Amino acid sequence: GIQVEQSPPDLILQEGANSTLRCNFSDSVNNLQWFHQNPWGQLINLFYIPSGTKQNGRLSATTVATERYSLLYISSSQTTDSGVYFCAVDVRFGAGTRLTVKP
Amino acid sequence: NAGVMQNPRHLVRRRGQEARLRCSPMKGHSHVYWYRQLPEEGLKFMVYLQKENIIDESGMPKERFSAEFPKEGPSILRIQQVVRGDSAAYFCASSRLGGANQPQHFGDGTRLSIL
Repeated sequence: GIQVEQSPPDLILQEGANSTLRCNFSDSVNNLQWFHQNPWGQLINLFYIPSGTKQNGRLSATTVATERYSLLYISSSQTTDSGVYFCAVDVRFGAGTRLTVKP
Repeated sequence: NAGVMQNPRHLVRRRGQEARLRCSPMKGHSHVYWYRQLPEEGLKFMVYLQKENIIDESGMPKERFSAEFPKEGPSILRIQQVVRGDSAAYFCASSRLGGANQPQHFGDGTRLSIL
């Protein structure tokens, strides 16, 4: 099956900093989503992005399907951005990036 | 505009009992997916169902676990004779159409604890 790898596994930022999270996948995809799991365990849909670029406020994402990777950009990070960010390709989830934003 | 509804939010069972987890998909969605998340890990796919049909159960344990999505009512994930290792968060997702090219919308999960 498809392998999904996320990097970095952990990321600590100061409030206001920018960050880039990466998702590599091993095969062509029809479905790629980014999720934020907040400290209460809820999974929040961020982007459905099998290809191209999308932006939503301080967050944006780019998927280059031909090169089998996707990037999630977080700008001007806030403490409420803390949590785990998952990339999911079809029904395969990566191990996540745990983001901690310090005040 | 209800999202995916899962209940109960928390479930406690003793070893050997049965656990039933329910999932009502979003309005207009007829495809349901179940995932399991162990502590400090990512989500693992278990099963994909359409109304009255199991489409893909490649992630389901061979024994004690079953899932259904009847014509009427919620999807049910059933775990018989629970063991401590079944303690996890179980998430349900739904999509409007089937196939891999549809976004999935997740419920808030059921936290199962086995005493």
